[in-house]
Amino acid sequence: DIQMTQSPSSLSASVGDRVTISCRASENIFSYVNWYQQMPQKAPKLLIFGASNLKSGVPSRFSGSGSGRDFTLTISSLQPEDFATYYCQQSYTTPHTFGQGTKVDIK
Amino acid sequence: QVQLQESGPGLVKPSQTLTLICTVSNDSISSGNNHWTWIRQTAGNGLEWMGRIFTTGSTRYNPSLKSRVTISLDSSENQFSLSLSSVTAEDTAVYYCARGPLRGGSVAFDVWGQGTMVTVSS
Repeated sequence: DIQMTQSPSSLSASVGDRVTISCRASENIFSYVNWYQQMPQKAPKLLIFGASNLKSGVPSRFSGSGSGRDFTLTISSLQPEDFATYYCQQSYTTPHTFGQGTKVDIK
Repeated sequence: QVQLQESGPGLVKPSQTLTLICTVSNDSISSGNNHWTWIRQTAGNGLEWMGRIFTTGSTRYNPSLKSRVTISLDSSENQFSLSLSSVTAEDTAVYYCARGPLRGGSVAFDVWGQGTMVTVSS
């Protein structure tokens, strides 16, 4: 299985901060990575697909980059509704594995 | 908009078979380019992709579940189901169904059900 390793596992930030979350795959997955946001007790929501494509309706402060093994999710200016847990997921091959998550909470 | 809704028992006894159903609204499970997928979430193992069924009926499962998992389509009811046999306490989780459109060879899960908590206990 392809392992997806996120860092950090948690971070504290303030409203307006620029936040960066990293995800490293155990092998080359080209651009086959997606990013999700999960609020407590809710299902994950798709933010970014294909490494850098913003899902329709997702605010433009979210962006994704990277290819190969290293990927990044960036929130350019953190908003109150962005405090959540974020997951990367590879869709290069099955089983489609997820990172362990990065929890973003209020500083 | 497309909606998915899981249904099934909240409590299953060890060694029994867990069966969950996902009802799809405003999309047809028998047409289009979608992977109809089951994903579960535990506190210990995070999010785990369990398997998927394509609109043609072809399936792919997570090898970690060995031969315990089966996913099937019911086109007449516009539903797909998950069957997990020989359950143990380690199968206690929130189970989600999700839609994964196939785009350029890639799959991203763009619609999820709300999730259903299943506890395995005697």
